[in-house]
Amino acid sequence: AQSVAQPEDQVNVAEGNPLTVKCTYSVSGNPYLFWYVQYPNRGLQFLLKYITGDNLVKGSYGFEAEFNKSQTSFHLKKPSALVSDSALYFCAVRAGGSAGKSTFGDGTTLTVKP
Amino acid sequence: DTEVTQTPKHLVMGMTNKKSLKCEQHMGHRAMYWYKQKAKKPPELMFVYSYEKLSINESVPSRFSPECPNSSLLNLHLHALQPEDSALYLCASSLQGITGNGYEQYFGPGTRLTVT
Repeated sequence: AQSVAQPEDQVNVAEGNPLTVKCTYSVSGNPYLFWYVQYPNRGLQFLLKYITGDNLVKGSYGFEAEFNKSQTSFHLKKPSALVSDSALYFCAVRAGGSAGKSTFGDGTTLTVKP
Repeated sequence: DTEVTQTPKHLVMGMTNKKSLKCEQHMGHRAMYWYKQKAKKPPELMFVYSYEKLSINESVPSRFSPECPNSSLLNLHLHALQPEDSALYLCASSLQGITGNGYEQYFGPGTRLTVT
């Protein structure tokens, strides 16, 4: 079985400050981890993924995420938040044997205030 | 072209109507998905097509009927829906079939469905 937890429903940061959106996971075997963003009334948009290799993954719009196997975490980060980053963020995991199913976290609403 | 398109954007239907949702991608992706999403909730997987064959049906009621006419198109036929079926219906695609766990999904903008 695979699962994802996003412990914070809401994250608030000021524009220009660094942001972190947390994600922890549980899988059997090696995880494939993804971050997606959803703007109001839109579909999900892929930001970045971890498959293997370097634990620090860089993605779209200046976002990055750090894979930590010992803590089973994959937190999303950005050094300097923009108001336009305000959206709903989903972490997702797949593992071998998942038959293509992604398990999504419950989502974290990020609000960046000017 | 890295886009998944969905039509219509909005759909209002009565409980006795029959309607269809359409999804199209021209990225050469071989897996296509239907998800249902309620407001501020994660998407819930409904169906997965891999290489144009239905691979996963997440115990979806028979009033939802998927169809994959070819590798670029995905339909969702709706009949005798209930008000609780009102939601955003998202289509997605990914490069490989269901064994391609490392491939990200590309989502369409969704169809906002209201059942009256």
